[in-house]
Amino acid sequence: DSGVTQTPKHLITATGQRVTLRCSPRSGDLSVYWYQQSLDQGLQFLIQYYNGEERAKGNILERFSAQQFPDLHSELNLSSLELGDSALYFCASSSGQGINIQYFGAGTRLSVL
Amino acid sequence: DQQVKQNSPSLSVQEGRISILNCDYTNSMFDYFLWYKKYPAEGPTFLISISSIKDKNEDGRFTVFLNKSAKHLSLHIVPSQPGDSAVYFCAARNYGQNFVFGPGTRLSVLP
Repeated sequence: DSGVTQTPKHLITATGQRVTLRCSPRSGDLSVYWYQQSLDQGLQFLIQYYNGEERAKGNILERFSAQQFPDLHSELNLSSLELGDSALYFCASSSGQGINIQYFGAGTRLSVL
Repeated sequence: DQQVKQNSPSLSVQEGRISILNCDYTNSMFDYFLWYKKYPAEGPTFLISISSIKDKNEDGRFTVFLNKSAKHLSLHIVPSQPGDSAVYFCAARNYGQNFVFGPGTRLSVLP
């Protein structure tokens, strides 16, 4: 158990809809990262937050947005969903300092039908 | 521009033999490297790390070797076990920046 909690585990929705994925980081970690993994591809970095502030942005679509709340949990919002958005979405957390190893949650599997 | 490359998408090894997973990088400023292991439908799990000031780090059956002049690192698993079958990601970072992940190599250990 990495200590990173993601909910829900599975999400099935229709094209055009909007969903919210939630992540609770490990206790004490200030950084949260979101990744997308499609069809056994590599991990595509989406966005990082550190202590409530956006720290780095990757290949995140404009239809996607994220935030980190004062209690450090984070939400990834996906809107106007398309079939191609079907993927595993992982959240990771790290201390934000030192070696800064990322610890991953179990992921949310999103299926857009 | 892929800074971290894992050129073998898959690898099959017999149980009990050595598994060698390779990773190449382009940025000579990378100072820390990680290996993660990922089972299907689970998140990646941190496995082992190595600093750029070392050329080897060992943890049980897992050893990571770093060749800075060749910008190459490898993960050796000895002896390989069926439970090692997974996707392995290497990751590298510049000091103070985030880790960049490779595309992964799927290891199958055959009984």
